[in-house]
Amino acid sequence: EVQLLESGGGLVQPGGSLSLSCAASGFTFSTYAMSWVRQAPGKGLEWVSGISGGSSGAFYADSVKGRFTISRDNSKNTLFLIMNSLRAEDTAVYYCASGLWSGPIDYWGQGTLVTVSS
Amino acid sequence: AIQMTQSPSSLSASVGDRVTITCRASQGVRNDLGWYQQKPGKAPKLLISAASSLQSGVPSRFSGSGSGTDFTLTISSLQPEDFATYYCLQDYNYPRTFGQGTKVEIK
Repeated sequence: EVQLLESGGGLVQPGGSLSLSCAASGFTFSTYAMSWVRQAPGKGLEWVSGISGGSSGAFYADSVKGRFTISRDNSKNTLFLIMNSLRAEDTAVYYCASGLWSGPIDYWGQGTLVTVSS
Repeated sequence: AIQMTQSPSSLSASVGDRVTITCRASQGVRNDLGWYQQKPGKAPKLLISAASSLQSGVPSRFSGSGSGTDFTLTISSLQPEDFATYYCLQDYNYPRTFGQGTKVEIK
């Protein structure tokens, strides 16, 4: 059974930093692309960032480019998102998700809430 | 980035109704499009991939069609458990982009 478990969410002040992690199990982690998708309160889904299985490719939404960094440790089946220069508009539930690099997102974690507020 | 325009943003329907949701891409995405269902407080669930391929375990009342820039999700006979928000997502290129969502409510 595929499981994705996010951690690291919390309250952070504007301009601050936060790191999210996602522990994966139940599939061959290194062969799958991984993504972060977020959802602001009462709003729709926004794809944030994705990384290929071997970390050779990484992409970002324009809204986070230059502030967020995605990475992965295939030896520990873990995905990361380092978020810097956080803004109020980054407040959202952040989902970890998996899928083929050239295919759809097919599995999702339950999400972790990030709140950016003073 | 490719823009995905989904319509309507919300609709009210009754159990047994046929429901159609559309998604239009700002440029061609071949058939690289998925449809997701999300219920309140839950993670999204993939219903359809490659525009028309029903995922295992998804009821056959759900169907998808389209290619290029115009896509449709159809629920042939709405059931109580189908009241949710639906999103399209293009997986043609990066950055991936979602439609704005369609909330299906009870009439």
